[in-house]
Amino acid sequence: NAGVTQTPKFRVLKTGQSMTLLCAQDMNHEYMYWYRQDPGMGLRLIHYSVGEGTTAKGEVPDGYNVSRLKKQNFLLGLESAAPSQTSVYFCASSFIGTGELFFGEGSRLTVL
Amino acid sequence: GIQVEQSPPDLILQEGANSTLRCNFSDSVNNLQWFHQNPWGQLINLFYIPSGTKQNGRLSATTVATERYSLLYISSSQTTDSGVYFCAGGSTLGRLYFGRGTQLTVWP
Repeated sequence: NAGVTQTPKFRVLKTGQSMTLLCAQDMNHEYMYWYRQDPGMGLRLIHYSVGEGTTAKGEVPDGYNVSRLKKQNFLLGLESAAPSQTSVYFCASSFIGTGELFFGEGSRLTVL
Repeated sequence: GIQVEQSPPDLILQEGANSTLRCNFSDSVNNLQWFHQNPWGQLINLFYIPSGTKQNGRLSATTVATERYSLLYISSSQTTDSGVYFCAGGSTLGRLYFGRGTQLTVWP
């Protein structure tokens, strides 16, 4: 089993460009999450999903959109990238909302 | 949201030493987890421990839910234990709040 897989692993964007990060999990988990990690800040929740077709806002949702069209996939979109969105993005999944969290390897995004 | 304080922020040890990391929460949580982020950035789940005590090899964790804190014990530390240790807690389904982490460096 691959667990949680994120693509791409690295990306450089110019201000104003758009992109999508893809997260795929093969553990049949109901819950999926997108976090961002900035130096000295820990991880902050951007958006999450409690099941196929559902999404909800986390702590820092502004500037991001998400979709969960299939249970195994959770997409994070940046419509118009800004330098403040330079960060490492982590996807995670869990079987239930209070369950053990499993993380992907992270995607490093730089916005120039 | 729930505020999570971790201490100490930095810890430097020699191989073989023991250590205790602490996590305090501003409110009650029913979901509490500890993670290790290795020097390559990978996040590994160490413990799911909303209450009680668990042990896994040289690592153990204790959560006192009524007093809103959790402790992570590392015994006989090794260089491979280096990295950042995060605790995270939540009370609403799907929302987990992370602390800023404890940076652990273990020297040979």
